[in-house]
Amino acid sequence: GESVGLHLPTLSVQEGDNSIINCAYSNSASDYFIWYKQESGKGPQFIIDIRSNMDKRQGQRVTVLLNKTVKHLSLQIAATQPGDSAVYFCADSPGGAGNMLTFGGGTRLMVKP
Amino acid sequence: DTAVSQTPKYLVTQMGNDKSIKCEQNLGHDTMYWYKQDSKKFLKIMFSYNNKELIINETVPNRFSPKSPDKAHLNLHINSLELGDSAVYFCASSPHTDTQYFGPGTRLTVL
Repeated sequence: GESVGLHLPTLSVQEGDNSIINCAYSNSASDYFIWYKQESGKGPQFIIDIRSNMDKRQGQRVTVLLNKTVKHLSLQIAATQPGDSAVYFCADSPGGAGNMLTFGGGTRLMVKP
Repeated sequence: DTAVSQTPKYLVTQMGNDKSIKCEQNLGHDTMYWYKQDSKKFLKIMFSYNNKELIINETVPNRFSPKSPDKAHLNLHINSLELGDSAVYFCASSPHTDTQYFGPGTRLTVL
């Protein structure tokens, strides 16, 4: 992932709506991509991951889309709930055990009841 | 049944002191990591440690040294603390796959 600058981008959505959080990465050799959710005062929590041989992967209420052509990753959250409010990070690595993740700058998701 | 744990949760100390942060994982993972998160939430890898092989991010000052007494522990020792070291430090671990699991973090404040 890439740092998006000094200020944390914020996405504000209405409860029940779908959310889309976007991320760009720069390393063409990246093979593994992952999304984390970080709530205030807690460590990043794994949400979903995807490898470069796939372009879409679905979990429970979440979908990750990978576009290797433009080096773009997105996280879609269906029927967003107040408990989804957090900072979301994408990260990538060249793959393989022990490879270090490069994190993007994060996006704050605020869910309005 | 905490998976990745860190102590202490908060650490306040004076500039110039030496301090350590401890990390333990009970997941049986082979690889452990240390990350630094700054005040703007940016997460940056510091170290990766796998089977006694240490991979260092070259931007990390040599005042920072990871120490692994065994596979379940990776402690972070910091010498001569500076104001700029204030941050939240996260330990993480991973199995043979790439998914990393993070600890709750240690907030370090250097006065």
